Amino acid sequence: DQQVKQNSPSLSVQEGRISILNCDYTNSMFDYFLWYKKYPAEGPTFLISISSIKDKNEDGRFTVFLNKSAKHLSLHIVPSQPGDSAVYFCAASKETGANSKLTFGKGITLSVRP
Amino acid sequence: EPEVTQTPSHQVTQMGQEVILRCVPISNHLYFYWYRQILGQKVEFLVSFYNNEISEKSEIFDDQFSVERPDGSNFTLKIRSTKLEDSAMYFCASRTGLAGTGELFFGEGSRLTVL
Repeated sequence: DQQVKQNSPSLSVQEGRISILNCDYTNSMFDYFLWYKKYPAEGPTFLISISSIKDKNEDGRFTVFLNKSAKHLSLHIVPSQPGDSAVYFCAASKETGANSKLTFGKGITLSVRP
Repeated sequence: EPEVTQTPSHQVTQMGQEVILRCVPISNHLYFYWYRQILGQKVEFLVSFYNNEISEKSEIFDDQFSVERPDGSNFTLKIRSTKLEDSAMYFCASRTGLAGTGELFFGEGSRLTVL
């Protein structure tokens, strides 16, 4: 039961260009969305989040867009840097209260070419 | 910067043996989680823990699994009789519990290999 879907397994972009990572979800009860970055042999590292009351959140080079009607969110990285090469996981939760477990997508491997 | 720490980083065990994975969450965090990632697959929720009891568990978290917070700092995951399919990376995570801050902070993981 894939409630959070990252349909593209990989993405390759040139350094300095924009990286756009997409994520779709099926559970309309999700109201909080997060992106995590993961390097090999390390745990996921929180990157950026967005609440369902917003449609955009920006933090430096990272911007997350949420389209609730389409149940779609995307992470934009601009400009992309070689150090951004990692696996990016989209995650969602139903609430930020007691039981806000995260449901993860399968991840997208981003490669930024120098 | 405070971080979640996990031990061991890698454990190899024989099928049927008991394994205990240990975690020290960030000190002022109130909610604790175990996730796992089988090689090449997504990160899967196992269990959440709050106020010294399990809040929620997935169907993966069967009777072979248990969690404990024995001393107010450590948070352990025990697998009573390991199976080959338990081979995975196990991640501990914690969260503050403050409203509006749903992000989990993850440890670096414990790789379990069951032979």
